[in-house]
Amino acid sequence: DGGITQSPKYLFRKEGQNVTLSCEQNLNHDAMYWYRQDPGQGLRLIYYSQIVNDFQKGDIAEGYSVSREKKESFPLTVTSAQKNPTAFYLCASSTGRPADQPQHFGDGTRLSIL
Amino acid sequence: SQKIEQNSEALNIQEGKTATLTCNYTNYSPAYLQWYRQDPGRGPVFLLLIRENEKEKRKERLKVTFDTTLKQSLFHITASQPADSATYLCALDHNYGQNFVFGPGTRLSVLP
Repeated sequence: DGGITQSPKYLFRKEGQNVTLSCEQNLNHDAMYWYRQDPGQGLRLIYYSQIVNDFQKGDIAEGYSVSREKKESFPLTVTSAQKNPTAFYLCASSTGRPADQPQHFGDGTRLSIL
Repeated sequence: SQKIEQNSEALNIQEGKTATLTCNYTNYSPAYLQWYRQDPGRGPVFLLLIRENEKEKRKERLKVTFDTTLKQSLFHITASQPADSATYLCALDHNYGQNFVFGPGTRLSVLP
């Protein structure tokens, strides 16, 4: 079945450590997105990519980095510069310009600080 | 400032009744609006999309309206069932359609 796979489901980070969240899709979608979700809040966009080897900052990109070397993969690195990284991270994809296309989401990675 | 609000954080209704969820926005001019369902610990699942020139969209027991004058969308679930219990998110297109902005969600509980 086609879909988006995020791993790991749970991740723990020590102070001063960078961690990388994986996102893989086999839907042949051009566009991919990373969101952060905090309790009681909507999804906030961290980074997005409309095409391989290109990505754009979203509303809360500080302390995060991404790469898009392959169409199917869009890993997110939470750096030590992100002072409040505890959250639920969601990856999504869509067929290009998202305005009139649904976004398909993975089941998220929950990141916590040790 | 730009803002998206969903009527209440939580809504409880009796099984069989119609649930109505509200999405209001300020200082956005969306051409498209989407609704998603999210279960605990899972990613959102797309339900419906409505365009600015469409007044209403239906899919089975779901109905969405979009009033660009009131800057509001209503999401209705008719003949609600306990299995409809979830958080429902609205999302507006933003940045010339390059991405979406999500509301905080409404947690719906359908009581048997």
